[in-house]
Amino acid sequence: IAGITQAPTSQILAAGRRMTLRCTQDMRHNAMYWYRQDLGLGLRLIHYSNTAGTTGKGEVPDGYSVSRANTDDFPLTLASAVPSQTSVYFCASSDSTEVGTPTDTQYFGPGTRLTVL
Amino acid sequence: GQNIDQPTEMTATEGAIVQINCTYQTSGFNGLFWYQQHAGEAPTFLSYNVLDGLEEKGRFSSFLSRSKGYSYLLLKELQMKDSASYLCAASDSNYQLIWGAGTKLIIKP
Repeated sequence: IAGITQAPTSQILAAGRRMTLRCTQDMRHNAMYWYRQDLGLGLRLIHYSNTAGTTGKGEVPDGYSVSRANTDDFPLTLASAVPSQTSVYFCASSDSTEVGTPTDTQYFGPGTRLTVL
Repeated sequence: GQNIDQPTEMTATEGAIVQINCTYQTSGFNGLFWYQQHAGEAPTFLSYNVLDGLEEKGRFSSFLSRSKGYSYLLLKELQMKDSASYLCAASDSNYQLIWGAGTKLIIKP
């Protein structure tokens, strides 16, 4: 692999079901992020992790949880999906050892298109 | 609150020049990013400005004025493949990115 992979590519889910979106990077970046992108709105940060073993809440964390057991993987879980969680979800990573410099550039995975009915 | 404003849509002609503006208000400021996003694809990094002035990178240039909370992306010699959305994002005091909704650029032959 090169870069960031996400799975699944797309998913239709019944409301109330549990769902985990997977994200794996092979760049050894220490920081990882989950965003959702909705039409007419900017990317909104759901959760982030500055390094393995730590996570933080972003702008829209309710209804989502994350874990960061190792450097490469950063799964996002919807415990009980609701229709308002219908969106495109992007995982990103950055080599933020030097925050505020170009090395803090975020690199994005291909996205997961999720529909909750 | 924190806010990024950019036009929703712009149209330009192949071979021409277009300037996409972005204004920002953030709690602290640690730089301004521009990303390109083709329909159905992931955003990809274009440029980063943290100091005032113009950064040129081939056909694309990005400008920043910290005192005015203003940036623009300049695209020269437009090609049909430049049809995409262009996302402006400001890094705040916590180094989190605050994103604009994006400017959809339509290139006509």
